[in-house]
Parts: sequence; C-alpha cells; structure tokens
Amino acid sequence: GQSLEQPSEVTAVEGAIVQINCTYQTSGFYGLSWYQQHDGGAPTFLSYNALDGLEETGRFSSFLSRSDSYGYLLLQELQMKDSASYFCAVSDGQNFVFGPGTRLSVLP
Amino acid sequence: GAGVSQSPSNKVTEKGKDVELRCDPISGHTALYWYRQSLGQGLEFLIYFQGNSAPDKSGLPSDRFSAERTGGSVSTLTIQRTQQEDSAVYLCASIKDWGGAGELFFGEGSRLTVL
Repeated sequence: GQSLEQPSEVTAVEGAIVQINCTYQTSGFYGLSWYQQHDGGAPTFLSYNALDGLEETGRFSSFLSRSDSYGYLLLQELQMKDSASYFCAVSDGQNFVFGPGTRLSVLP
Repeated sequence: GAGVSQSPSNKVTEKGKDVELRCDPISGHTALYWYRQSLGQGLEFLIYFQGNSAPDKSGLPSDRFSAERTGGSVSTLTIQRTQQEDSAVYLCASIKDWGGAGELFFGEGSRLTVL
C-alpha cells in the first residue's frame, strides 16, 4: 500500500517563507509531485522531483530525499494569491497517489 | 480541446438513481485518471486508463462504480444506485506519456450531490 502525510494547515504572513512537508510510504516510487488547488478549482501542477535535491521554479522550490522518504515544498515571498491547498503526490510507475493536502492561509 | 473537459459541472440526483459523468481529455494524452474529492479532503484514486491496456480499477469503492474509455479518448464514469456518501467532486486528469514523470492536467470536476 501507499500512504502520504502532510500537515493539515499552515498559516503565514505576506512576504514570508513557508515550508510544507510530505512524508510517504510506498511500494514503488518514481517521483514526488506537488499540486496547488484553490477553493472550487482544479489542481494544477507545480513541480516534480525524481532525484534527490532541490528543484527551483520561480518563488517555489521542491526538495526530495529518497532515502528519508521525505520531501517539501518551499514557497518564498508569499502573496495573498498563494492561499490554497497544496498536495504532494507519489508516482509509482503507473499511478499517482495524493496526500491529504495542506491548507495554506496567507495573512496580510 | 485546449484542456481537460468534464461534464456536467454540477449534478443533483436522488438516492438510488444512476449518473454518468463524462471526461474529454487533452488530445493525444495516452493516460486518463479519475479521482474523487470530498469536501476539504484529498484526492481519492478511482480508476486509471493507459492506452489499450486493461484499466486499473483498484480504487473503485464498490461494484456500483464503473468506467469506460472509448477509442482511447473520452471516458465515462457511471455510478449506479447512487448513495448519499457518493456526494463529492469527481475529477478527471490526463497525462501525455506515462514515464513516471510528467504533469497531470485536471479538469474542473463534476460536483455530484445525492439527496
């Protein structure tokens, strides 16, 4: 089986940096993805890590440690529009299994 | 089309009725997924189609749920004898080539309410 864990909620102020962690237990592993979902909207892709290390895409960065079965999403220079739910997802070679999601609230 | 299209966007039905939800993936995408999302919850995998291979139905919650994909394109998710616990947003996603990497493109979802 597969299971992923994320914090349920994170709160930060505009301009700050926030890190959302994801730990996973999977029977197969190809990579870890991150998706953003605004209320009432569709999930949208943010980043993907197949190898250990940090991937940077603008204000967002994602990190993976395969030996620790752990990854995180780092959001810098937070903006109000970043308030959303963030999901990590493990791909096992065929399927994508999603974590329970972290609701990020950005305060002015 | 330019993106993944789902219909209907909203469906209200009475308990015991059958419903069909449709997904039109991005043209040329070989893999198609259905997920279910209850209010404030994560995405629950339902079923996965990859090319002409047999679908992975391991996530379907009961035999009331079924899905097909015709011609390697449009997919229909059917829920028979709906129950109140089936109320959720049903999300469809497609991906161009399955190599373990890549980006899932999601539709806006079909919100199902069973009264």
